[in-house]
Amino acid sequence: DAGVTQSPTHLIKTRGQQVTLRCSPKSGHDTVSWYQQALGQGPQFIFQYYEEEERQRGNFPDRFSGHQFPNYSSELNVNALLLGDSALYLCASSHYRITYEQYFGPGTRLTVT
Amino acid sequence: GESVGLHLPTLSVQEGDNSIINCAYSNSASDYFIWYKQESGKGPQFIIDIRSNMDKRQGQRVTVLLNKTVKHLSLQIAATQPGDSAVYFCAEQGYGGGADGLTFGKGTHLIIQP
Repeated sequence: DAGVTQSPTHLIKTRGQQVTLRCSPKSGHDTVSWYQQALGQGPQFIFQYYEEEERQRGNFPDRFSGHQFPNYSSELNVNALLLGDSALYLCASSHYRITYEQYFGPGTRLTVT
Repeated sequence: GESVGLHLPTLSVQEGDNSIINCAYSNSASDYFIWYKQESGKGPQFIIDIRSNMDKRQGQRVTVLLNKTVKHLSLQIAATQPGDSAVYFCAEQGYGGGADGLTFGKGTHLIIQP
């Protein structure tokens, strides 16, 4: 049973560019949440997707957007990258009725130069 | 704003001893509390959770205690092993279930001394 997978593992982008990160949830899960983890900090909630809709959003600007596909996989898009967007981006999956039990992927390390 | 925080950034224990990692929370509306373990270069790994209507929950070598009176959460790890070295985060989710992101604290780095 595959756990949560994310791609790519690492990514280097330049300020002002756009980036797309991808996530496949754990088998049996229908809800995907995205988090940003700065170095030495705890993860911060970006948003959550269920039934292909954004259900809740954390304190992140509109430059951060996402999408969920019919197979429950998800994408995180970040436009107009800033140096401060450099972080580990984590995807977590869960079942909609047990959203406190979230299983995380290994993350995508984004570096903005 | 309300947030979850941790008392100590680093905890060093001898191999074989018990470890206790503490967490303070301020959101009285939180319904679930969860402990995660994060090893270097990996995503957080779910350890154990506890609901707000419980005081204690035990897992394999781990126990979580919840004291709602003082808004305190702790994770006890019995017979600490080298593989327990990691950063431990407490997280909370508000009441209402459904679409609720987790709020994480800053983390405690557990170091196991041989």
